[in-house]
Amino acid sequence: QVQLQESGPGLVEPSQSLSLICTVSGDSINTGSYYWSWVRRPAGKGLEWIGRVYTSGSSSHNPALKNRVTMSIDTSKNQFSLKLSSVTATDTAVYYCARQENYPGGGWFDPWGQGTLVTVSS
Amino acid sequence: QSVLTQPPSVSGAPGQRVTISCTGSSSNIGADYNVHWYQQLPGTALKLLIYANNNRPSGVPDRFSGFKSVTSASLVITGLQAEDEADYYCQSYDSRLSAWVFGGGTKLTVL
Repeated sequence: QVQLQESGPGLVEPSQSLSLICTVSGDSINTGSYYWSWVRRPAGKGLEWIGRVYTSGSSSHNPALKNRVTMSIDTSKNQFSLKLSSVTATDTAVYYCARQENYPGGGWFDPWGQGTLVTVSS
Repeated sequence: QSVLTQPPSVSGAPGQRVTISCTGSSSNIGADYNVHWYQQLPGTALKLLIYANNNRPSGVPDRFSGFKSVTSASLVITGLQAEDEADYYCQSYDSRLSAWVFGGGTKLTVL
């Protein structure tokens, strides 16, 4: 079965960029009509969708994050990545990667990675 | 404040039935976007529980059911078991925000 695993630094300094990679195993990232997404959960808060990337490389992101989000995909490594620029303490969260189904009326996220905690602090 | 509103907690005794609500608005659930539900057991990854309002993925017991109304949805768990103790989240799409949105999560306690 498909499995996702996040990786990246657990500590990022304010004003710097946060970079994470999601490695997909069990199937090719190039298979099917899926989107590859990032979701986060700040401590004590609910889940927030960050953005998603398609196998073509096209991406979209949550407008609430302004233009701080950059996403990319590397089909040769079966990985996709997230870069969030100009981070502040409010970006401290558990970051999840997930596969999203392309489905009429809105698709679901399945499966999910275990999540990785990123703390923004000096 | 999450776009979709869920009760912070619900509880029930083993064997009972519990309902977790997910209240939205005219720009998400009310705009006929699908609602999906996830379960997160302590220390584990989020797991898809219900997709497209009322469908169960393979392996999910039929004790779990999803319902959708005009601007709200609900997750019903019957025959409550101790292993159901977890956090539950609803999810949809919001056309006003142009974003996929989630509920704040509901912690289910099995008494």
